[in-house]
Amino acid sequence: AQSVTQLDSQVPVFEEAPVELRCNYSSSVSVYLFWYVQYPNQGLQLLLKYLSGSTLVKGINGFEAEFNKSQTSFHLRKPSVHISDTAEYFCAVSSGSGNTPLVFGKGTRLSVIA
Amino acid sequence: GAVVSQHPSWVICKSGTSVKIECRSLDFQATTMFWYRQFPKQSLMLMATSNEGSKATYEQGVEKDKFLINHASLTLSTLTVTSAHPEDSSFYICSARELVPYEQYFGPGTRLTVT
Repeated sequence: AQSVTQLDSQVPVFEEAPVELRCNYSSSVSVYLFWYVQYPNQGLQLLLKYLSGSTLVKGINGFEAEFNKSQTSFHLRKPSVHISDTAEYFCAVSSGSGNTPLVFGKGTRLSVIA
Repeated sequence: GAVVSQHPSWVICKSGTSVKIECRSLDFQATTMFWYRQFPKQSLMLMATSNEGSKATYEQGVEKDKFLINHASLTLSTLTVTSAHPEDSSFYICSARELVPYEQYFGPGTRLTVT
């Protein structure tokens, strides 16, 4: 079975400071990894994904994440955050096979402080 | 990119009535669709998985007679909340998957409030 752990439920950070949101996963098979962002009362928007290839993945809005197989991690980073980045961020994992759905972490609330 | 729509985006209903939520894949064929439920400030909880033309597979603890799922075509799945009660109030999000490349695309969600 797959699982995702987001180590921080809330992360406050000052505007223009860097941020890292942590995600660890467990899986016995090869995985696909995703980060989604959710703004209040909205659905999920895909930030970036790792399917294969380069372990450093760049996404939208200046975010990037690095897949580390040995540490089973897929941490999300941004070098300089904006007020508009305040939202809930979800890490998710999928084996990509058949009917297996995405398994989500519990989410990390990023609060950017002016 | 792949787009998934949900309708309605927001609904209020009285206790005891039924509500139907539609989920459509607009520009691709969704072999599999998923329904999630999200409580305030919490993560998404998978309710059920449905494949076109077959019965949905429900997660443990989800009442299949209360949450009826129909996946009649490759572009449409519906979730009907029957005899709704206030505790069914939640944010319902559908997701659709293409056969390749195994990504899930999410709808914008439906806010259900049962009074």
